[in-house]
This record gives sequence, structure tokens and C-alpha cells, in this order.
Amino acid sequence: DAGITQSPRYKITETGRQVTLMCHQTWSHSYMFWYRQDLGHGLRLIYYSAAADITDKGEVPDGYVVSRSKTENFPLTLESATRSQTSVYFCASSVRDSTNEKLFFGSGTQLSVL
Amino acid sequence: AQKITQTQPGMFVQEKEAVTLDCTYDTSDQSYGLFWYKQPSSGEMIFLIYQGSYDEQNATEGRYSLNFQKARKSANLVISASQLGDSAMYFCAMRGNTGGFKTIFGAGTRLFVKA
Repeated sequence: DAGITQSPRYKITETGRQVTLMCHQTWSHSYMFWYRQDLGHGLRLIYYSAAADITDKGEVPDGYVVSRSKTENFPLTLESATRSQTSVYFCASSVRDSTNEKLFFGSGTQLSVL
Repeated sequence: AQKITQTQPGMFVQEKEAVTLDCTYDTSDQSYGLFWYKQPSSGEMIFLIYQGSYDEQNATEGRYSLNFQKARKSANLVISASQLGDSAMYFCAMRGNTGGFKTIFGAGTRLFVKA
């Protein structure tokens, strides 16, 4: 089915390890986003991208790296994971026309850093 | 800088009654978009409604309407005839018009619908 896919669905890692969360969309949407959601809180923007090879920092970018070599993929890397990065991570893409706009979300990756 | 504020951490509403969830925003962009999303306990993010800053009419989608007051910078969600299935977290979000469509979310309001 077409859509936005995140992998893995669950990940447990240790502090100091590098972790990459994958995000793939089949629509060729230009705009893509990474958010983190901590227990009982809203979504905070980590990084976003307007197109392939164009990325920008969001509200909480420290400790994260992104790349976007292809329109459909937007991986998020935690270079050296810390316990404070335990969270649920959501990837999203957006589409916009003259009258409407919408973000499509993946199912999320639940990351635990021990 | 963009900012979204949802001041109601939790709300209760009686089934079949209407409820308003508050959202205020701040931006220096002339053009922007406002959204509401629902997050049930399953964790998925469900799109409810969108309002463009230049739209003069309030957006409506079934039982959902967005009360857009541009001068007050508010974008409240109104749910009419609440149902038990409406119990969930509700997030307000704003998309700016500079820097690649940066889209940020508020802290959310948890809605409880009572039978």
C-alpha cells in the first residue's frame, strides 16, 4: 500500500550507540518532517526538509543528524544515543494544493535508550 | 518565531454535547496554515481539519469546525455532538511560509467524553 513507512517499529539501544531511524514515502511529497513525542507531551520538531538535499533544523535538533539524498527517504540518525532521547519518533510528509493541506504521518518508532 | 499554545491540558464533555478546544498561535508570516490532529490511545496521528490564513470562511469537516479569528490569532476546534470515540489527545499545529514550511505542534489537549 502506498504511504509513509517508518522502521523499525521498536528499537532498544544503549547509551553511546549510533541509531538510524528510517522513513520512506511513496508519494514523492516534497516536504518531510521528523518529530519526537515524549510521554504525555506534544510533538516537537527535530528536522525538516523542503526537498532532496535541503534540510533545516527544527525546535530540538541537538544530537540528531538527517540526510535526504532521495525525495522518498528521510533517515534520522542519533549519533551517540542518550537516555533523554528515549521517545516516540514520528516521520511525516506533507502535500499542499490551492485549497487544502495535510501532513501524513508514519506509525512511529518507539526508541528506548538504556 | 512561530509558537503554538494550547492552554487546556484536559477537558471533559458530556456525550452528544459540543466542545471547544482552544489554540492560539504566533507568527510573523503573512501566509500560514493551521491544522488540528487527533491522537487516540493507539498512537496514530489522524488529520481532522485545515485552515489557510487567507481563507475567509471557517473550515468545516463533518462534526469538526475550526473557529478562525485572525486578529486574535486563535484557531479553536469545535467538535459538535461529541461521541465516546472522540476521547483522545488533540493537537493544534501551524505551518509557516518561510524556511521550508516548518510545521510545529502545540502541547495538546486530552479530551474525555463522558457517557
